[in-house]
Amino acid sequence: DVKVTQSSRYLVKRTGEKVFLECVQDMDHENMFWYRQDPGLGLRLIYFSYDVKMKEKGDIPEGYSVSREKKERFSLILESASTNQTSMYLCASSVGGNIQYFGAGTRLSVL
Amino acid sequence: AQSVTQPDIHITVSEGASLELRCNYSYGATPYLFWYVQSPGQGLQLLLKYFSGDTLVQGIKGFEAEFKRSQSSFNLRKPSVHWSDAAEYFCALYSGAGSYQLTFGKGTKLSVIP
Repeated sequence: DVKVTQSSRYLVKRTGEKVFLECVQDMDHENMFWYRQDPGLGLRLIYFSYDVKMKEKGDIPEGYSVSREKKERFSLILESASTNQTSMYLCASSVGGNIQYFGAGTRLSVL
Repeated sequence: AQSVTQPDIHITVSEGASLELRCNYSYGATPYLFWYVQSPGQGLQLLLKYFSGDTLVQGIKGFEAEFKRSQSSFNLRKPSVHWSDAAEYFCALYSGAGSYQLTFGKGTKLSVIP
């Protein structure tokens, strides 16, 4: 079974903090994705990566950055967290770009 | 540009009743289509996929979906709903053609009355 692991299920941070969300996949997938999910808005793509050190902006990259130093790990970084970044964050991985496998999600609260 | 529409935001059914969740897509060619399910507080789990061939596809947990090109639809069905099916369901489209991204609908929340 494909396993996508997000390091934290719940996080509480303060406004202005630098926040790291980590995601690891064990299936040697080339592609990895970060989404945020908000009620009524569905899933919105923040960033994705199709190879080590490669990244592409998704639909809502503002306020976020990413890092992919190793194939299995994809990190989402909030440089200076704000209250409007309170959300559920989902990581996914895929090979060939079609079937995406998702982690359990990180619910981030920024106070 | 492609899009996915799930017309129903919230559906309530009684346990044992049949279920159909609607999904319409907009895309110029035949897409790859998916249904995912998300239980409360969890990530998304793939229920089924359509790539080509037989337009009626079977998935996990007793779900099936039918691809209808003429209606640009990919509706999800289950003949008898169980209380554990209460969740949010997402339809998604992959266009291929060098794209890495899935296009998701906004989801349909299913509530099940015992």
